[in-house]
Amino acid sequence: DAGITQSPRHKVTETGTPVTLRCHQTENHRYMYWYRQDPGHGLRLIHYSYGVKDTDKGEVSDGYSVSRSKTEDFLLTLESATSSQTSVYFCAIQGYSGNTIYFGEGSWLTVV
Amino acid sequence: QQQVKQSPQSLIVQKGGIPIINCAYENTAFDYFPWYQQFPGKGPALLIAIRPDVSEKKEGRFTISFNKSAKQFSLHIMDSQPGDSATYFCAASWYSGGGADGLTFGKGTHLIIQP
Repeated sequence: DAGITQSPRHKVTETGTPVTLRCHQTENHRYMYWYRQDPGHGLRLIHYSYGVKDTDKGEVSDGYSVSRSKTEDFLLTLESATSSQTSVYFCAIQGYSGNTIYFGEGSWLTVV
Repeated sequence: QQQVKQSPQSLIVQKGGIPIINCAYENTAFDYFPWYQQFPGKGPALLIAIRPDVSEKKEGRFTISFNKSAKQFSLHIMDSQPGDSATYFCAASWYSGGGADGLTFGKGTHLIIQP
């Protein structure tokens, strides 16, 4: 499972509240990613990181921020959650073999 | 602009049949093409991947066919089983760039294998 742990796994929050999702990895991988999955859209990249304090935007970054203060942790923050951010969020890491990307088990977020 | 187009959206096949899922890409800089399998409530798992220097790759019952000139690639599942019922995603990235900026995914195919 590439040693990826996401928390929380399920969360219901109210519109306008801040939310932080955490991704923790145990294998010292350099590259980490946050994707969201929605019906009819597949998986879309939100932000990614290529090292401590090194992050960049993906395809759907509006409304999201990230931080990576330690190699093992990559945080995704919704500063003010909206209903359009109701989704399943997947953290991923790039393995040591080529471009292989491994996913975590997902975090189900509902914004009401 | 959708860079990876996947079809069909859903597919029902009888056990033992050969489901085929197709993907087309636009960006000629892509040089790594993986397929992921996802079961309900789980994260996507890498199934098989191909680079454009080969036209076909087999791993067990799963085969990727790749057509560089047409910018298309497809997944075939031989002797399909009910346990293969899942959602399948094709994806693409820049292998030579180390893939640091992640994968671009198709929208997925919901496959059902009927007993």
